[in-house]
Amino acid sequence: QQQVKQSPQSLIVQKGGIPIINCAYENTAFDYFPWYQQFPGKGPALLIAIRPDVSEKKEGRFTISFNKSAKQFSLHIMDSQPGDSATYFCAAIDWAGAQKLVFGQGTRLTINP
Amino acid sequence: SAVISQKPSRDICQRGTSLTIQCQVDSQVTMMFWYRQQPGQSLTLIATANQGSEATYESGFVIDKFPISRPNLTFSTLTVSNMSPEDSSIYLCSAMGGSGNTIYFGEGSWLTVV
Repeated sequence: QQQVKQSPQSLIVQKGGIPIINCAYENTAFDYFPWYQQFPGKGPALLIAIRPDVSEKKEGRFTISFNKSAKQFSLHIMDSQPGDSATYFCAAIDWAGAQKLVFGQGTRLTINP
Repeated sequence: SAVISQKPSRDICQRGTSLTIQCQVDSQVTMMFWYRQQPGQSLTLIATANQGSEATYESGFVIDKFPISRPNLTFSTLTVSNMSPEDSSIYLCSAMGGSGNTIYFGEGSWLTVV
């Protein structure tokens, strides 16, 4: 019940395309859903996050869509660039309970020029 | 945001030895965590570092193998004891800070055990 399932495992998109990464969870107590971006040799960096009372959040070219009833959320990258090539992790946390980030399996994104 | 510094950033260790990783945060934080990330894999929580008390370990991780200290609100250490090649991994320190209880990560400590 603590798992977050992420797909796809890898994704290749042409520059300017809109990659979409999907995550699903079971624990309805999760109340905060961040996305992290990780470049090779670096630690994960917080990209954008959403709470379950909001259905969508945009920050620059990055958008999270959140479907509470389906227990799914996704990351969209608009006008993708080669510099967006990285591994993306979705995560979830139950602040009132376990207070531990649970990570998805990661998506290796490649944006071709 | 919180800036997290880890030392060492990279090391090659001999089998059977122990190595201590240091984590320094640039501001006081309520919670600190240690994660392990094997190459090409996701992050796995090792333990929550509790200030002034014993760390809280996740299933599969034990204090004798991964002793953790947290003497104050900005600093923690993780020791990887009696290392074997299976311990070759990236060890990441993270902390909860800033507004909105955001969780930040350090750059990681890349350990190779030979």
